[in-house]
Amino acid sequence: DAGVTQSPTHLIKTRGQQVTLRCSPISGHKSVSWYQQVLGQGPQFIFQYYEKEERGRGNFPDRFSARQFPNYSSELNVNALLLGDSALYLCASSLDWSPTNTEAFFGQGTRLTVV
Amino acid sequence: KQEVTQIPAALSVPEGENLVLNCSFTDSAIYNLQWFRQDPGKGLTSLLLIQSSQREQTSGRLNASLDKSSGRSTLYIAASQPGDSATYLCAVKAGANNLFFGTGTRLTVIP
Repeated sequence: DAGVTQSPTHLIKTRGQQVTLRCSPISGHKSVSWYQQVLGQGPQFIFQYYEKEERGRGNFPDRFSARQFPNYSSELNVNALLLGDSALYLCASSLDWSPTNTEAFFGQGTRLTVV
Repeated sequence: KQEVTQIPAALSVPEGENLVLNCSFTDSAIYNLQWFRQDPGKGLTSLLLIQSSQREQTSGRLNASLDKSSGRSTLYIAASQPGDSATYLCAVKAGANNLFFGTGTRLTVIP
């Protein structure tokens, strides 16, 4: 079975541009979460989606937005890119939104570099 | 706010040694705790998941324990191998059902 897939794997953007990152969860998983990992730090929670609805949002500016599609795939959008947005963006898939008994599985990430 | 700390930040051991990685968290109201492995520039690989009601979980050479009341978890790696070299992250699921991560322990196993 395919794991969590993210695209693209690497991306270089210029300050002020917009970017869209994509994630396909494990088949049968209905919850997708996004995390940002700056070099040398642990991942920070950005968004969680379940059944196409936003279920949680971390402490990120409104320049960050996301959505989940009927097939449970998800997109993360970042507008007006700043140099500080350079990071590894990770997508996590889990079976449902239950806080217990749900293991998170991560994709390989998208490395975003803003120049 | 939940804060997760991992000690040590880096660890270097000779091949074959047993080792322990530590994780502590500030709020004991967690749903579960998960240990991950991360190779340089790559995503996270889930190693072990411990529910809040459990004390430990084992998978092969790995054993993770959880003491929720004291806010601590340990990951024990037996008979370390060079292929174990990676960064190990612990994360607790808490609050609004999201993961709070530590900054990781970078492990190097010397052949």
